[in-house]
Amino acid sequence: KNEVEQSPQNLTAQEGEFITINCSYSVGISALHWLQQHPGGGIVSLFMLSSGKKKHGRLIATINIQEKHSSLHITASHPRDSAVYICAVRSNYGGSQGNLIFGKGTKLSVKP
Amino acid sequence: EPEVTQTPSHQVTQMGQEVILRCVPISNHLYFYWYRQILGQKVEFLVSFYNNEISEKSEIFDDQFSVERPDGSNFTLKIRSTKLEDSAMYFCASSQGYSQPQHFGDGTRLSIL
Repeated sequence: KNEVEQSPQNLTAQEGEFITINCSYSVGISALHWLQQHPGGGIVSLFMLSSGKKKHGRLIATINIQEKHSSLHITASHPRDSAVYICAVRSNYGGSQGNLIFGKGTKLSVKP
Repeated sequence: EPEVTQTPSHQVTQMGQEVILRCVPISNHLYFYWYRQILGQKVEFLVSFYNNEISEKSEIFDDQFSVERPDGSNFTLKIRSTKLEDSAMYFCASSQGYSQPQHFGDGTRLSIL
């Protein structure tokens, strides 16, 4: 069983739509990351959060520690938002030194 | 904004050869990581490095792999006797502390022939 599950796996949206990507995890964590992976492969960190909600521009990330669930929202989506969005958690198990456990990613395609 | 740089961007090597993937982490960062992503699969943790030694490694990181910080700026991943299944994108990341955000390089695509 995957420790980090994302849904949906693939998402196609029209420009301007509100988008939600979900992440559920089964391990105890000290933090959760949302990452963006571009078609060329490079990874950019969007958010790191351990509670509540963070906002950066059109992106909003929320986390519910009790329910072990996080969501990434994109408002007023744009074709340049097309990428793979990856949820990754930092386990708080044992002597973990910060390494991340990754979900499989959600491939988002925003059509003009 | 400072960034993590990785070289080369693409490495093609014959099976059985040794490869060294290079990374220059952000200068004031203290924790360094290598991750691997096989084509079509999720990113996987390989190893973390702090204070000039390995702090944690995954099952993937066996005796074939080694890491080194040879000169205080570079952070390298060496893969000995490469196999076809080592073909993947390898990402380096660094952070100021283990609880701080990790910054990723653009990756090195390793192709084993």
